[in-house]
Amino acid sequence: GAGVSQSPSNKVTEKGKDVELRCDPISGHTALYWYRQRLGQGLEFLIYFQGNSAPDKSGLPSDRFSAERTGESVSTLTIQRTQQEDSAVYLCASSLAVDEGLGKNIQYFGAGTRLSVL
Amino acid sequence: GEDVEQSLFLSVREGDSSVINCTYTDSSSTYLYWYKQEPGAGLQLLTYIFSNMDMKQDQRLTVLLNKKDKHLSLRIADTQTGDSAIYFCAETPLRGGYQKVTFGTGTKLQVIP
Repeated sequence: GAGVSQSPSNKVTEKGKDVELRCDPISGHTALYWYRQRLGQGLEFLIYFQGNSAPDKSGLPSDRFSAERTGESVSTLTIQRTQQEDSAVYLCASSLAVDEGLGKNIQYFGAGTRLSVL
Repeated sequence: GEDVEQSLFLSVREGDSSVINCTYTDSSSTYLYWYKQEPGAGLQLLTYIFSNMDMKQDQRLTVLLNKKDKHLSLRIADTQTGDSAIYFCAETPLRGGYQKVTFGTGTKLQVIP
């Protein structure tokens, strides 16, 4: 597609339920990132996928969070047993493969999924 | 570790210049970026600068980099109401393998008509 697409745009769920968020990156972008943005705060890195390499999961806040990516296409972020503190906007971004060394890394963002946990 | 800091809020009058500041800690940063986030939208790249440059100009935008002080600024000339948004500074540290972009906390720019 023309840009990064995320769905749903809004999700309201009850505490304790599982949710799944979807990201469709720009075609040809091998790198894909998930971020969390709490109200009035900056971006918190969650996880990064680069081609067939092992993902960098260092930003996932707890074992309730997991993410998958099929090849170089769609990614899903799953939050199990949601808590109220999980309420935030979840942003996905994709970028072209970044060469080791001095390559710039321009990320293209989706509009995000606004998650509200009641 | 990497840390990128920005002031949280800036208010300017329409037609004035806006200057948004950012400081970072990683001296090995290669590229530094400015992103804009409008309400309800994702981030959009505005401009970027390579660390061996000290200035870059793109229409109404001027980026200044003081590598010695690890200070980056974004100047918007003739600020318009459409410039009201949150502006994020970001950096790419130099490291082997992939490069993870570290974002600042964002500066909310309010333009008063």
